[in-house]
Parts: sequence; structure tokens; C-alpha cells
Amino acid sequence: SQQGEEDPQALSIQEGENATMNCSYKTSINNLQWYRQNSGRGLVHLILIRSNEREKHSGRLRVTLDTSKKSSSLLITASRAADTASYFCATDARRSGTYKYIFGTGTRLKVLA
Amino acid sequence: NAGVMQNPRHLVRRRGQEARLRCSPMKGHSHVYWYRQLPEEGLKFMVYLQKENIIDESGMPKERFSAEFPKEGPSILRIQQVVRGDSAAYFCASSPPRGSGTYNEQFFGPGTRLTVL
Repeated sequence: SQQGEEDPQALSIQEGENATMNCSYKTSINNLQWYRQNSGRGLVHLILIRSNEREKHSGRLRVTLDTSKKSSSLLITASRAADTASYFCATDARRSGTYKYIFGTGTRLKVLA
Repeated sequence: NAGVMQNPRHLVRRRGQEARLRCSPMKGHSHVYWYRQLPEEGLKFMVYLQKENIIDESGMPKERFSAEFPKEGPSILRIQQVVRGDSAAYFCASSPPRGSGTYNEQFFGPGTRLTVL
């Protein structure tokens, strides 16, 4: 599997339900970020979580990071139709000389009204 | 403080033409990254530049693609003799200089959508 691989690939839920997306990665990281992308649009930064943090909240979003399992999860509570989008995690490749981000293929979330 | 700016937002080229994509980083940022996103896929790293230097071009195709980040002006991603497979969204990101404490946080532009006919 690739660094920063999301699971599931697609998720369809009813408005008001919670949505959970997972991300796994392979190498050690400095931080992990979650982004949202509406169809055909740019990236919207959601949350950055550093490697020494375990959980972070922002409004209806909750991100956890487990560095021992090399995984992160994004929870969206009380989902809305406007949350319909693709969600990507991105990890920085902690190799000397470069700080590129490696993105997964994304989870396509559909929230039904 | 304006965010990362990219232009054009949409670019249409015929096969064999050249495409030039521009990226102006956030004010005070000296690191620029280019990523490509094919339809239904995640972003793939292409190249990482600092002013007048290419630091990491491991994700960039060896032929037809080049990137620069001059001392003055925006970063340019240049694709020569475009082919249909180059059709994608190209995103630029920037980050502050090292030592600022946030150098590994990247801020993304809105992207340029290249369509090759």
C-alpha cells in the first residue's frame, strides 16, 4: 500500500450521521494533514496534527493520530450534505533534504439529504 | 496576506503545444512544491524548489517537464509538446523558510486545470 492510503475509498451516509475515514502510512512523519476537495475544485486544509499529538478537534472534525500503528482517522460528526467531497490525508516524507507531501487516493464521501 | 496564487486557473492546449503554469507563493514563503492530480486520484508530488534551486525533482517526468523558481517572480512549471496524458490538475504549494517553526506546513493554491485536446 502507498504512504497515506485512505480507507474506505468511498462512503455514503445519511445527513446527521457520523463519517469516519482512516489513513495509513508507512514511514515516520513530522505531521499529517487532512484536506477536503469538492469535485473539480482546489484543496481546503482541514487539520494538521503533529507527530507528538494524539488528537485534535476543529468544529465538527476530530482527528486522531496513532504513530505506533502509523494511522490516523478523521471523524466528521453530524454530517451535512455540504460535507460531500473527497477527503485526503497527506504525510510529509521525513527524509533528508525534502519535505514533499505524499497524498493518498482519497475517500469519496457522499452525504445524502 | 494573500494565499498561494496560481494562474491560469484553466488552460487548454492542443497536442504538441507548450503549457506554462505559474505559481506565486504566499508572502514570505521561499519553498514551492508542485503536485499533479489525475482524475479520481490523489495528488502526486512532482518537484520541490527553493529560490533559484531545484531541491527534489524525483516526481517529475524526465522529458518535456521543467520547473523553475527565479529570484524574482513566480515559479513556473513548463510542459513542452503536451500530450493528452498531461491533462490533469496541477497544484502548487508553498511553505515558509526553515527555522520559522512551520517550514513543513504547506499551503496550497487553487490549481490549474490543464486540458490537452
